[in-house]
Amino acid sequence: DGGITQSPKYLFRKEGQNVTLSCEQNLNHDAMYWYRQDPGQGLRLIYYSQIVNDFQKGDIAEGYSVSREKKESFPLTVTSAQKNPTAFYLCASSNTGTAINEQFFGPGTRLTVL
Amino acid sequence: AQSVTQLDSQVPVFEEAPVELRCNYSSSVSVYLFWYVQYPNQGLQLLLKYLSGSTLVKGINGFEAEFNKSQTSFHLRKPSVHISDTAEYFCAVSETGGFKTIFGAGTRLFVKA
Repeated sequence: DGGITQSPKYLFRKEGQNVTLSCEQNLNHDAMYWYRQDPGQGLRLIYYSQIVNDFQKGDIAEGYSVSREKKESFPLTVTSAQKNPTAFYLCASSNTGTAINEQFFGPGTRLTVL
Repeated sequence: AQSVTQLDSQVPVFEEAPVELRCNYSSSVSVYLFWYVQYPNQGLQLLLKYLSGSTLVKGINGFEAEFNKSQTSFHLRKPSVHISDTAEYFCAVSETGGFKTIFGAGTRLFVKA
């Protein structure tokens, strides 16, 4: 079955540590996205990538980093510079060939800072 | 720049009653419109989308939405809700040919027995 997988489902981090969230897709989509979700605030875009080896900052990129070395993979690193990282993180992908930008989402990773 | 406003943060409704979740958007260019549903601790699933053509769009699980260009609205409706419809619903807008999607803050639908 085609889809997007995110791991781990739950992640606990101590203050001052970097952590990396995994996102893999087998939909053959060119574009991938990372969103942060906080209660009552909807989804806010962290980073997006339209093609391998290229990515752009979204609205709240400070304290985060990404890489796009393979089409299937778009890992997100939450660095110690992120002041309030506790949130639900969603990865998504879309088929840029259709120009519609319908997004397909993974199941999410819930990050908690202890 | 585009923006999306979901007018109700929470909507409680009794089972088998009709429901409408309201969404207004603003954009200076033509857009595509989407409604997504999110069940607790899960990702988002597409309910329906408006691309062009008929302004009444039918989606999964008996939901439908109507695009109103003059009022810049895209309200979601269901004639009779079930307990299983309890979830959070997100309205979203994407510029045609663009790479970014703007999401509303979400409406939590709570269906009571």
